Amino acid sequence: EPEVTQTPSHQVTQMGQEVILRCVPISNHLYFYWYRQILGQKVEFLVSFYNNEISEKSEIFDDQFSVERPDGSNFTLKIRSTKLEDSAMYFCASSQESSGNTIYFGEGSWLTVV
Amino acid sequence: GQQLNQSPQSMFIQEGEDVSMNCTSSSIFNTWLWYKQDPGEGPVLLIALYKAGELTSNGRLTAQFGITRKDSFLNISASIPSDVGIYFCAGISQGSARQLTFGSGTQLTVLP
Repeated sequence: EPEVTQTPSHQVTQMGQEVILRCVPISNHLYFYWYRQILGQKVEFLVSFYNNEISEKSEIFDDQFSVERPDGSNFTLKIRSTKLEDSAMYFCASSQESSGNTIYFGEGSWLTVV
Repeated sequence: GQQLNQSPQSMFIQEGEDVSMNCTSSSIFNTWLWYKQDPGEGPVLLIALYKAGELTSNGRLTAQFGITRKDSFLNISASIPSDVGIYFCAGISQGSARQLTFGSGTQLTVLP
């Protein structure tokens, strides 16, 4: 069964450093998303991306965050200057327009900022 | 932003028992999705609901999209040990294209 894959599975970074989280969405999907989950809390929406541009973003997705689809398969989330409170599990997700609004999640990238 | 109230927060049940959990909101949702999350992993889609009143089953799981479009429930029948995990409801509200709002989760523990 096709799946969303994410790398790295776990990254530890120093405060102030840049981090890039990578995702390969399901191949025939057109919409891509990033969500995050702080330990013990619910999953929160960050951003959605379609047709090479951001379609929606939340208040969490401020100027330190950016997304990019550098080629036909990868979808990345960059955090420019990490803060301690950025420590969370980051989930990439994708959906196929023709199948309605069913959104499939990757296994997540656990980011620890020290 | 939109809020989803999910209950109960946690459940301890005996193997073989049935389980019910629900989500409610003051806002209208166009889509309801139910996910299961195991520790350290991503949410896995269980059931997707797209129309008010829709009742959908997936094996021992049954979920319904409330008529008012402001609520949904998930039932698990004849629970087994591997049902342990956190169950999240998630919805796409009216006025949003594809942004999922998640409930706070129901932690299910199945006792042998």
